[in-house]
Amino acid sequence: DAMVIQNPRYQVTQFGKPVTLSCSQTLNHNVMYWYQQKSSQAPKLLFHYYDKDFNNEADTPDNFQSRRPNTSFCFLDIRSPGLGDAAMYLCATSRVSGANVLTFGAGSRLTVL
Amino acid sequence: SQKIEQNSEALNIQEGKTATLTCNYTNYSPAYLQWYRQDPGRGPVFLLLIRENEKEKRKERLKVTFDTTLKQSLFHITASQPADSATYLCALRRYGGSQGNLIFGKGTKLSVKP
Repeated sequence: DAMVIQNPRYQVTQFGKPVTLSCSQTLNHNVMYWYQQKSSQAPKLLFHYYDKDFNNEADTPDNFQSRRPNTSFCFLDIRSPGLGDAAMYLCATSRVSGANVLTFGAGSRLTVL
Repeated sequence: SQKIEQNSEALNIQEGKTATLTCNYTNYSPAYLQWYRQDPGRGPVFLLLIRENEKEKRKERLKVTFDTTLKQSLFHITASQPADSATYLCALRRYGGSQGNLIFGKGTKLSVKP
């Protein structure tokens, strides 16, 4: 089945130790997104790629970076995780369309010690 | 500033009853409104989309209404079942703008008791 796969599902890191989360998709969607979701809060858009074009949200900290080496893969790099970065990180994809319906992966839960 | 509010953090109902969840928004003129279901520890799953020129949309036991005058959407689950227990998120996309401007509410956690 076509889907969005995130790895790892659970990531534990130490304060300040860089982390990379990965996302792959078999849907051939043009757009890939990274959302951050903290407990009982709304998913918050960090950035998205429209094909190779990177779009950063104005309030996304510099500590968060992303790479999209090809259509299928997208990575989220957290350069120096702080305790406040502990969250669920959700990757999503969509076609280019007016409706912009998102297909999400299962998420990567980050714990910072 | 633009806001999306979902009426309550939690809603508890008895099996078989109709669950009604509310999504209100301010300072938006959305072209579309979407509802997603999120189970604990999982990503949201798309359920329904309604356009601004549609009053109502149905899918099996689900019904969504969209009142652009009241700036409100209602999400109904009829004949609710314990398996419907989850958090339900509404999401809005404005006219125009970049592809990335889909904004979510915090969600309402629905618990259906047998």
